[in-house]
Parts: sequence; structure tokens; C-alpha cells
Amino acid sequence: SQQGEEDPQALSIQEGENATMNCSYKTSINNLQWYRQNSGRGLVHLILIRSNEREKHSGRLRVTLDTSKKSSSLLITASRAADTASYFCATEGLGNEKLTFGTGTRLTIIP
Amino acid sequence: NAGVMQNPRHLVRRRGQEARLRCSPMKGHSHVYWYRQLPEEGLKFMVYLQKENIIDESGMPKERFSAEFPKEGPSILRIQQVVRGDSAAYFCASSPHSNEKLFFGSGTQLSVL
Repeated sequence: SQQGEEDPQALSIQEGENATMNCSYKTSINNLQWYRQNSGRGLVHLILIRSNEREKHSGRLRVTLDTSKKSSSLLITASRAADTASYFCATEGLGNEKLTFGTGTRLTIIP
Repeated sequence: NAGVMQNPRHLVRRRGQEARLRCSPMKGHSHVYWYRQLPEEGLKFMVYLQKENIIDESGMPKERFSAEFPKEGPSILRIQQVVRGDSAAYFCASSPHSNEKLFFGSGTQLSVL
């Protein structure tokens, strides 16, 4: 079954606004990661948060992790047109070294 | 330090032919992962390899698909007797250790006619 499910599936916002994407998963994890994919390209790693961490920041990105609810959120502040892409969460399960990806959120920033 | 290199970028095969997809991980990375992506979908795990060993192939179809990561040279994903349903983007990723972020290649787009 799909480990990560992103919500919403698609999101369109005006440039300058904040974008929030959510991810839910089913089993216990070592870490959760967020990736970005531009159309037709490979994925680019954005941020990794470990199971014992609750929040992490990187530039305009803020990630939270709630292991009790098995959920994570990715916040992009002050969005730019270049942020237009698909965003995926991925989880590494306990004793399981592969990453399992969700279905992604397609983010469109309107200039 | 070059990134993860995949080739070819595009591969066209007729039904019944063989497809060989190559992946050179980043220098110093001994962990290689293969994923498949259909349009508008997420990545589906196929196989995880370390040098000369298959660690997890739970996502690989039982027939026609195989993968290797030899001591020398790139990792190879091999699809025998391709069918139209094999058409997809195949991505390779590498990492120096487990429990770390992955570095992805640009993918190979396989089209089966």
C-alpha cells in the first residue's frame, strides 16, 4: 500500500503567498524527506527530518513532523514562480532502507 | 564531482526487444536505487543494490526484469521482452549510506512501440 499520501494533489497560489503541503504515512519511520521534481526531470532533495525531530528549517522551507499522527507538512514561504514543481514526501521505514514515495502535490505559482 | 549519470536519456524499443538502462552513481556512493514513474504519478520503488549485492528487490516484477551493480562499472537495469506497459520514466538514485538523502539522475524515458 502507498506509504506516503500528499494533500492536496494540486495547489495554485499567487506569487508571494505561502504554500503548505501535507503528507500522511502509515508505518513507523526512521526519517521523512521532501523532494521537488520539475517537469521531466529527476528529483531534487529539499530537506530530511528524522523521527526524533519535530521541526526543521532550510531557507524559505519549514518542515514539521508529528509521529503520533504520522504526518508531516512542508511550508514554502514567500513563494516564487520558480517554485512551480511537483513536491513529494518520502519515508524510510524502520529496518527498511528504501525510500517510499507519495503521490505528490503539483504546485503552481501564478506570477 | 559529477552527479548521478543515467543513459540513455531516451530509449525506444519495439515489443519483444530488450532494454538496458545504465546508471553511474556519484563518486563514493555505494548504494543505488531504481524507481519507475508513470505520468502524473509518484515514484514506485523497484530495487536497492549495494556493490555486487541486491539488498531489496521487492518492487521488481518477478519476470523479465533484472538489476545488477558490479564491482566495476555502472548499475544496469535490464528489461527483457519489453511490452507497452513497460513504457515509463526510470530513475536511478544513489547515496553514500542508508538513512540519508538520495541524489537522483535525470532518468531514462523508455518508450515501447
